Amino acid sequence: DAKTTQPTSMDCAEGRAANLPCNHSTISGNEYVYWYRQIHSQGPQYIIHGLKNNETNEMASLIITEDRKSSTLILPHATLRDTAVYYCIVRVAADNYGQNFVFGPGTRLSVLP
Amino acid sequence: ETGVTQSPTHLIKTRGQQVTLRCSSQSGHNTVSWYQQALGQGPQFIFQYYREEENGRGNFPPRFSGLQFPNYSSELNVNALELDDSALYLCASSAPGQGRTEAFFGQGTRLTVV
Repeated sequence: DAKTTQPTSMDCAEGRAANLPCNHSTISGNEYVYWYRQIHSQGPQYIIHGLKNNETNEMASLIITEDRKSSTLILPHATLRDTAVYYCIVRVAADNYGQNFVFGPGTRLSVLP
Repeated sequence: ETGVTQSPTHLIKTRGQQVTLRCSSQSGHNTVSWYQQALGQGPQFIFQYYREEENGRGNFPPRFSGLQFPNYSSELNVNALELDDSALYLCASSAPGQGRTEAFFGQGTRLTVV
């Protein structure tokens, strides 16, 4: 079973920041938080991952709380093309031989014009 | 573009038949994983291959099998197809030995069993 809890759906106005929450209260010390998204009928797209420090890349920012029990993915300026299902996954990162990603139902983000 | 390519993109098979799906991993990635995604659900892990050997498997029956080749490409074989095998099959490649543990997915093969 997935170790994360996410809202089923969210709406965001185009041009505004989209903040997608994720709860992972049972996360272990060696588990990272990964975010993927899946646009309709396409393969999941890697967005970002982190351990305990906040991370930023060209797509998004990842904010992890100090106790690591929750995180937020931030899309700073959402566009219509960001409409997708967003998956938050926790998993051991180091030496992932045999490790896999456990996908939950994710959050369906709708960016509205 | 992730550099992970899958073929074919769509396939229709009859119940009881066998099917082979193919995946070319991203350049330099030596680990390939396969996932099944039923309509409306998240992807479910089938198995993972590293150095041509299976080194992790999800809750799928033995009629789901695979291969990895020396060039790291991979095949997923499904025997005795059932109607419930209709799904999007996804291949993901990664390079954990290089500290790159994020996986990159292909666009998938849509299998329909009739």
